[in-house]
Amino acid sequence: AQKVTQAQTEISVVEKEDVTLDCVYETRDTTYYLFWYKQPPSGELVFLIRRNSFDEQNEISGRYSWNFQKSTSSFNFTITASQVVDSAVYFCALSEARAAGNKLTFGGGTRVLVKP
Amino acid sequence: GAVVSQHPSRVICKSGTSVKIECRSLDFQATTMFWYRQFPKKSLMLMATSNEGSKATYEQGVEKDKFLINHASLTLSTLTVTSAHPEDSSFYICSARDFLEREGTDTQYFGPGTRLTVL
Repeated sequence: AQKVTQAQTEISVVEKEDVTLDCVYETRDTTYYLFWYKQPPSGELVFLIRRNSFDEQNEISGRYSWNFQKSTSSFNFTITASQVVDSAVYFCALSEARAAGNKLTFGGGTRVLVKP
Repeated sequence: GAVVSQHPSRVICKSGTSVKIECRSLDFQATTMFWYRQFPKKSLMLMATSNEGSKATYEQGVEKDKFLINHASLTLSTLTVTSAHPEDSSFYICSARDFLEREGTDTQYFGPGTRLTVL
């Protein structure tokens, strides 16, 4: 069975601090896809990134960066110089059956609160 | 990216009534749609996989007679919560799969969610 663990339930930082969200996953598949989503108070899921298991390159997009380490089954997410608008719940997810568009197993989510 | 809509966005109903939630893919055809449920301050849990033209596949522990799913067309799936009770109050999110085999793309797009409150 697939499993995604986000050990941090809530993180509180002051604006401009960096924040790293941990994600550890379990799967028997050799090919899989990992995702990060942001869920602001409105509830709508905002897609942030998708990474397949063969691509271990770290990625940076603006203030966001991701560190994929297959050896430790982790896919961590860092927000650099956090802003109040970054306050949201962030979910890490794993797709099943080796297909990027297939059903997702979500982690428990990490609530990020950025204080001014 | 592609757009998935849900209707209604918010519904309040009395205990014992049935509520229908619609999920539409607006600019693509989706043979597969998924229904997730999210309790307050909790994660999203997959309820069922909705397949166009066939029966839905329910996850373990989800009552199929309670949560009726119909995927009658390539752009519409509906979730009906039958005889709703307060414990059914939740945030229901659908997603639609855009699988283009020829182009080698396979993407899941989420709807904005429906907040159900059962009094």
